[in-house]
Amino acid sequence: DAKTTQPPSMDCAEGRAANLPCNHSTISGNEYVYWYRQIHSQGPQYIIHGLKNNETNEMASLIITEDRKSSTLILPHATLRDTAVYYCIVEYNTDKLIFGTGTRLQVFP
Amino acid sequence: DVKVTQSSRYLVKRTGEKVFLECVQDMDHENMFWYRQDPGLGLRLIYFSYDVKMKEKGDIPEGYSVSREKKERFSLILESASTNQTSMYLCASSLARGYTFGSGTRLTVV
Repeated sequence: DAKTTQPPSMDCAEGRAANLPCNHSTISGNEYVYWYRQIHSQGPQYIIHGLKNNETNEMASLIITEDRKSSTLILPHATLRDTAVYYCIVEYNTDKLIFGTGTRLQVFP
Repeated sequence: DVKVTQSSRYLVKRTGEKVFLECVQDMDHENMFWYRQDPGLGLRLIYFSYDVKMKEKGDIPEGYSVSREKKERFSLILESASTNQTSMYLCASSLARGYTFGSGTRLTVV
């Protein structure tokens, strides 16, 4: 079973920041948090991952709480092309990722 | 960029047929994976491989087998296709952290 809990759906206005939460209260000390997204009819796309510290790349920012029991993926300026299903995953075993059902993000004009 | 190529985007097969789904990656990744994706169930891991000739069962291996004769190629085999194997099949590869997925094969078994 997936070790994360995400809301099934969220809406965001275009140009606004999209903040996608994820709970992973049973995370172990050496487990990473990964985020992927899947645009309709395509394979999932890697976004970002982190262990303890906050991370930022060209796509998004990842904020991990100090106790590591939850995290938030931030898309700073959402566009219509960011409409997708977003998966938060805790690495279960080395390179064996277990996907949950994710959050369906709808960006509207 | 790493590229993961799945041989077919759409496939229609008859019940009882032997079906091969092919996946090739071009970045010398050691780890390769097969998932299936169904509405409401998300992605479920079928089989994975950490090296040539090695294979490990995922969460739903029943009705499937795999082959990894070369590092770049990981094949999923449906020995006798059934209608409940109609699904989107996704292949992925990775080296250390972060997967790269193919575009998927939508298989319909009639």
